[in-house]
Amino acid sequence: QKEVEQDPGPLSVPEGAIVSLNCTYSNSAFQYFMWYRQYSRKGPELLMYTYSSGNKEDGRFTAQVDKSSKYISLFIRDSQPSDSATYLCAMSVRGTSGSRLTFGEGTQLTVNP
Amino acid sequence: DAGITQSPRHKVTETGTPVTLRCHQTENHRYMYWYRQDPGHGLRLIHYSYGVKDTDKGEVSDGYSVSRSKTEDFLLTLESATSSQTSVYFCAIRDTEETQYFGPGTRLLVL
Repeated sequence: QKEVEQDPGPLSVPEGAIVSLNCTYSNSAFQYFMWYRQYSRKGPELLMYTYSSGNKEDGRFTAQVDKSSKYISLFIRDSQPSDSATYLCAMSVRGTSGSRLTFGEGTQLTVNP
Repeated sequence: DAGITQSPRHKVTETGTPVTLRCHQTENHRYMYWYRQDPGHGLRLIHYSYGVKDTDKGEVSDGYSVSRSKTEDFLLTLESATSSQTSVYFCAIRDTEETQYFGPGTRLLVL
């Protein structure tokens, strides 16, 4: 069983929709949670990170962490065609040597105009 | 973009040949990482470095070696390339927080 599970999709939504992307994890030691966006043939780009349960908002993006359920989410409001990309969740145990990130497989999102 | 460059950006090589990929950073970060990305597997850590001449293995290190003789450069070497090492390779650095920033990637095809 993978430590981090993420539905690879693909997910297709109309422009303006609210998008919900999710990951579950099994390692209760994970403390840092990140979301990356990766456009086709590009490197992953850090979108948001948090180390606490609850919500963190940045513009149209909201990251949500529920440590009791080992579940994290990324919400995208008013989705735009430019949001079409693969979204990867990642998590790590804070303070360990090298801060190894464990990634989900990524969810491929297409926002249709 | 965290000042990370990778070279080459694309490479085609033959089975059994040695290959070296280079990662260069301009911001003096201590930690550097090499990942590979494959369909169905996401990003997997190959090796990482926590300082000059200090390196350690990741989860998929077999067949790879690394070297770091200067803070700004982290080299990944495939001693004898195999078709299973066809992949996209990403270098990353760790910022002051527990976050990592990635380079543009190197696409490697081993024939």
